[in-house]
Amino acid sequence: GNSVTQMEGPVTLSEEAFLTINCTYTATGYPSLFWYVQYPGEGLQLLLKATKADDKGSNKGFEATYRKETTSFHLEKGSVQVSDSAVYFCALTNAGGTSYGKLTFGQGTILTVHP
Amino acid sequence: DAMVIQNPRYQVTQFGKPVTLSCSQTLNHNVMYWYQQKSSQAPKLLFHYYDKDFNNEADTPDNFQSRRPNTSFCFLDIRSPGLGDAAMYLCATSRTGSSYNEQFFGPGTRLTVL
Repeated sequence: GNSVTQMEGPVTLSEEAFLTINCTYTATGYPSLFWYVQYPGEGLQLLLKATKADDKGSNKGFEATYRKETTSFHLEKGSVQVSDSAVYFCALTNAGGTSYGKLTFGQGTILTVHP
Repeated sequence: DAMVIQNPRYQVTQFGKPVTLSCSQTLNHNVMYWYQQKSSQAPKLLFHYYDKDFNNEADTPDNFQSRRPNTSFCFLDIRSPGLGDAAMYLCATSRTGSSYNEQFFGPGTRLTVL
């Protein structure tokens, strides 16, 4: 079956520091990969996505590249802000077929950014 | 803007008293999902509707039921809430036929059980 493993948290950084949150996956076929962000007290928002190998998803200064050879989709940002404090979830879904969007989530990584 | 709406945002109920959470969407998506999420853990899928077809996850307790009267609305019924059912409940939608099956989430309903 499918699985997603994220780096252990929580992660605490100072403002303007470089961020990496590791994500590796196990899946059949050719999954689509996502990073979702959840701000305190809110639902999940799609941060970025990649649908095939070597695709780079990017949004709000965050980036992640779909690496099929290492089955990874690490999230990076060059300079974090206090407003980036949230929980980040890596997820995958098998595109098409009968799975129609059933998501497999990683365990989530809590990020706290201090001024 | 097209969106997924959940009401209420906060719900308090008593132990054993039935409660219903609602979700509506203006995206005209044919698939709707209900998730349970506890304290920053990964959301846990309870069930989903593919059009009118109900699909229950194997480990979803019988205490949880769902209704989808039309494309736009979906309800989560908890027949006899226990203290362990206190959680955030998230509704999501997606559309089959898209290339990557993105799910769109509502803001969630936080359920407190007294």
